[in-house]
Amino acid sequence: DQQVKQNSPSLSVQEGRISILNCDYTNSMFDYFLWYKKYPAEGPTFLISISSIKDKNEDGRFTVFLNKSAKHLSLHIVPSQPGDSAVYFCAASDNGGSQGNLIFGKGTKLSVKP
Amino acid sequence: ETGVTQSPTHLIKTRGQQVTLRCSSQSGHNTVSWYQQALGQGPQFIFQYYREEENGRGNFPPRFSGLQFPNYSSELNVNALELDDSALYLCASSLGLAGFSYNEQFFGPGTRLTVL
Repeated sequence: DQQVKQNSPSLSVQEGRISILNCDYTNSMFDYFLWYKKYPAEGPTFLISISSIKDKNEDGRFTVFLNKSAKHLSLHIVPSQPGDSAVYFCAASDNGGSQGNLIFGKGTKLSVKP
Repeated sequence: ETGVTQSPTHLIKTRGQQVTLRCSSQSGHNTVSWYQQALGQGPQFIFQYYREEENGRGNFPPRFSGLQFPNYSSELNVNALELDDSALYLCASSLGLAGFSYNEQFFGPGTRLTVL
């Protein structure tokens, strides 16, 4: 049973427009959420995170929104650039609880067209 | 400061064989976590080692084992390989126990294992 779900395997966006990547989770014990970006032949790199005590966190062009009641988070990239083309993973943590480590979704492949 | 490195890049084994994958953590990082990423899936936590002892394991059988050495290197060993073990294996190092929000994990590029 998947605890972290990314239901869109792929997303295509025009350069300059907004990219919105979505993630849902089922475990109410998760209290910290992260987004990782992965290019081919490289390991995932940390992008942005959010604690469950917040509903929004911004870092430059990247903003993560958390809706705890809906158990949903989203990553907004504005404006999107061709270099943003990568696979984006949503991950969740229960901060040292029973999960032991990060729980990842399956990823969404973002393609930003010039 | 060097990043996390893994070797080999690619590996082909046959069913029933044993394999050892290697990881070199960032200097000063006393925790290493291993993940398995099957095709089309996200990384799945195997186990983590903290100060050379296993500290937390995911839903993987005992034929997956590991070692961590004082020089920030570590190994993932898999015995009796099965076809479903074919995947990308990622290691990640952190300053302290992973799974806590204040301990960011830094991933290596992975080892692609194919089991025939």
